[in-house]
Amino acid sequence: SYELTQPPSVSVSPGQTARITCSADALPKQYAYWYQQKPGQAPVLVIYKDSERPSGIPERFSGSSSGTTVTLTISGVQAEDEADYYCQSADSSGVVFGGGTKLTVL
Amino acid sequence: EVQLVESGGGLVQPGGSLRLSCAASGFTFSSYWMHWVRQAPGKGLVWVSRINSDGSSTSYADSVKGRFTISRDNAKNTLYLQMNSLRAEDTAVYYCARGRALTVVTPSPYMDVWGKGTTVTVSS
Repeated sequence: SYELTQPPSVSVSPGQTARITCSADALPKQYAYWYQQKPGQAPVLVIYKDSERPSGIPERFSGSSSGTTVTLTISGVQAEDEADYYCQSADSSGVVFGGGTKLTVL
Repeated sequence: EVQLVESGGGLVQPGGSLRLSCAASGFTFSSYWMHWVRQAPGKGLVWVSRINSDGSSTSYADSVKGRFTISRDNAKNTLYLQMNSLRAEDTAVYYCARGRALTVVTPSPYMDVWGKGTTVTVSS
């Protein structure tokens, strides 16, 4: 299996842009998915297939991919975006999550 | 409204067994893959298992293979996770989640709807 590596924490001020990266240690690269989890709540899908946004997710959430690194970008961060963010990928054998990144809004 | 409600969690001794259930509503349960994902206290998300829409295909994380069994009853709109030989490291909140597939022939790679979870504690 492979691993997905995320930074443990990212901090930004309100209104700034937050970027959370997720690196895979093996090829071939599969699509990446991103989930937001607030304390005491279930995860919520915010990005699928690297860059697609589910209905109901604000436009300030976007995703991109370059090589074996994918990035979740939150533009114009709001206080309500403070949460843990997990990247995830999968292959025929199973599903893998990154370790998670705690986004702090200063 | 699409909804997933887990139940069956609780306190169990090491080596014991527990069966989790996940009741689905608001969508055609029999058309979707389903997953179980767990989260130990203060830790990250860890995938456990998935099952295809008719129950004929399953896969498991290495950490639970041979001990856990995923199944479903489409007539009852219910997903199950039978957990045997439980260990302290299985202590976690267990979430069921609806899976989405990219094609009709490949396994579901992600989840778009999650339940609120049920807590399993393995301790003597």
